[in-house]
This record gives sequence, structure tokens and C-alpha cells, in this order.
Amino acid sequence: ETGVTQSPTHLIKTRGQQVTLRCSSQSGHNTVSWYQQALGQGPQFIFQYYREEENGRGNFPPRFSGLQFPNYSSELNVNALELDDSALYLCASSSPGTANEKLFFGSGTQLSVL
Amino acid sequence: SQQGEEDPQALSIQEGENATMNCSYKTSINNLQWYRQNSGRGLVHLILIRSNEREKHSGRLRVTLDTSKKSSSLLITASRAADTASYFCATADNAGNMLTFGGGTRLMVKP
Repeated sequence: ETGVTQSPTHLIKTRGQQVTLRCSSQSGHNTVSWYQQALGQGPQFIFQYYREEENGRGNFPPRFSGLQFPNYSSELNVNALELDDSALYLCASSSPGTANEKLFFGSGTQLSVL
Repeated sequence: SQQGEEDPQALSIQEGENATMNCSYKTSINNLQWYRQNSGRGLVHLILIRSNEREKHSGRLRVTLDTSKKSSSLLITASRAADTASYFCATADNAGNMLTFGGGTRLMVKP
């Protein structure tokens, strides 16, 4: 089990609402990445934060935004929710210098948009 | 979009048998990794192979990489019921800030 924690574990929202998902990275990890995993598919990269700055972004619209705090924890915000945003949202942290070599994943937040 | 395709999409074997999963990808890579996921929860890193390596072992796992064919395979030997999970390959390019995952192989090991 990793030291990455995500909250909440499950969430139900309606279309058009906004949601904030939270992630605490493993101790000593300064890089946090967010992934979206639709049912039956592999995770897709949303963005990465390093030292409180966005450090890469996947093919997601601007209504997906994020923050990283001085303690390296992170938030993912999604505005104007759409039905297709229903997915498992995974947060992953990595240690300095190994951002693309070994990710430690949290258990995810299951978001359902009705 | 997904970088790679995994084959097969689903695999069912008996305990004690070997399981082989394949992954193909499209662009140049820095490294390729395999992850395991139980029941839609978090992924667990299994093994990494760098672009200049051809084979790597870790316990019951054996990974090969053929960069000329842009493909990799994961072999799990002497499988156990506890190996039942989804297995994903993920590639890292030289830019280094993201992993691109395949669609996964769902492995079921029957006791």
C-alpha cells in the first residue's frame, strides 16, 4: 500500500456542477500527477504538478484545473461537469528526479455524474 | 488517446500456469513500465525496463522490450489466484512528465 491518500472515495454530482478532489502525496514526493480512468480503459494523463507549478498537461479542456500546495498535496477541480466526466480519478506521486520512472498511486475517487 | 494496445484484452488461466501479456506502442520511449490494478483501485508499479535494455526479471516477472518492433511482453510464471488483476503497460517519453497507458489485460487465475 502506498502513502498516497485521496478523498473522497466516491462522489455523485449532477451535470453542470463543480467538483474538487483531493490528494496527499507520499512523504518526500514533490511531484503529483492526475489521471482519469474510464470504465474498462487505461488511465489517461490530465496534468502534473511540480513545486506548485503545472508541469505538463494532457488533452483535457481548461475546465479541468489543479493546484499543488507547499506541502505537495494537490487538488483537481472540474467545472461544468459533463456525463462523460464519470470515471475513476487517480492521483499519483513520485520522488524527486523519478517523475516518469515509478508512480505511487492512491486508491482513486470514483466520480459519477448524473 | 492511448499510446499502446495490449493483447490479449482478457486472459483466463489455471493456477500454476504461465501468463503472457503483450504491449505495443507508437512513439519513441525513454522507458516502459508495467502496473497492476485490482478491482478498479489504485495501480501498483511492478517493473520498469529502459529503452536500452532488452530483458529484465523481478521475482516471478519477466519483461522483454523490442524497440525495433515497439513492443513489450510481461510474463508471470507459476501464476497464483492472487495474481488475478488488470495489468497495464505504460510508456514514458523523453520529455518525462507523463506516462501513457495501454488499455490493459484482464487476467483471471483460477484456483
